Amino acid sequence: ETGVTQTPRHLVMGMTNKKSLKCEQHLGHNAMYWYKQSAKKPLELMFVYNFKEQTENNSVPSRFSPECPNSSHLFLHLHTLQPEDSALYLCASSQAWDGGSTDTQYFGPGTRLTVL
Amino acid sequence: GNSVTQMEGPVTLSEEAFLTINCTYTATGYPSLFWYVQYPGEGLQLLLKATKADDKGSNKGFEATYRKETTSFHLEKGSVQVSDSAVYFCALSEYTGRRALTFGSGTRLQVQP
Repeated sequence: ETGVTQTPRHLVMGMTNKKSLKCEQHLGHNAMYWYKQSAKKPLELMFVYNFKEQTENNSVPSRFSPECPNSSHLFLHLHTLQPEDSALYLCASSQAWDGGSTDTQYFGPGTRLTVL
Repeated sequence: GNSVTQMEGPVTLSEEAFLTINCTYTATGYPSLFWYVQYPGEGLQLLLKATKADDKGSNKGFEATYRKETTSFHLEKGSVQVSDSAVYFCALSEYTGRRALTFGSGTRLQVQP
């Protein structure tokens, strides 16, 4: 596997379900990100992890719970979601945060989530 | 705060036509600028980037020049192909204690044979 992978690619869940999204990067990066892409809205940053530590939570509701056990893996745990949470969830990775802005973020293919 | 503004789509062109997608930005310092492309059913792929003023990023026939005086980073291609049909996102990255990209809303390009 190369690049950034995400599983599952599609997920349908009810509002009372608990599910998890998984992201894995094979690029040797130390920073990982979750983004949300909704129809007709710009991509929204959700969380940032740098060397496994969460460095940003962009006012995301607590029904979304991220986990970063190591620099290669990132999870997004979902519980009691709402229909408006239906979206494409994108994971990305980059080199460690070194204080510069030139880093390139590499994206996975996304998980298409539908909440019924 | 930072922001990126892209021209509204969709943009519909015939094959071999010239493409321009406008992008302007607002930032407090000296951001890096990016163009990402999203093909149907896929995630975002980096198309090109520029990290300082007057830099030109280029890839797969696409080009964009970082213009600080006009705060712009317009995407151009001399001759589009049907396979270029996708959504194009302009983005910036600026270290302000926050490590993330700020994206424009995306511009859908449809190229007809």
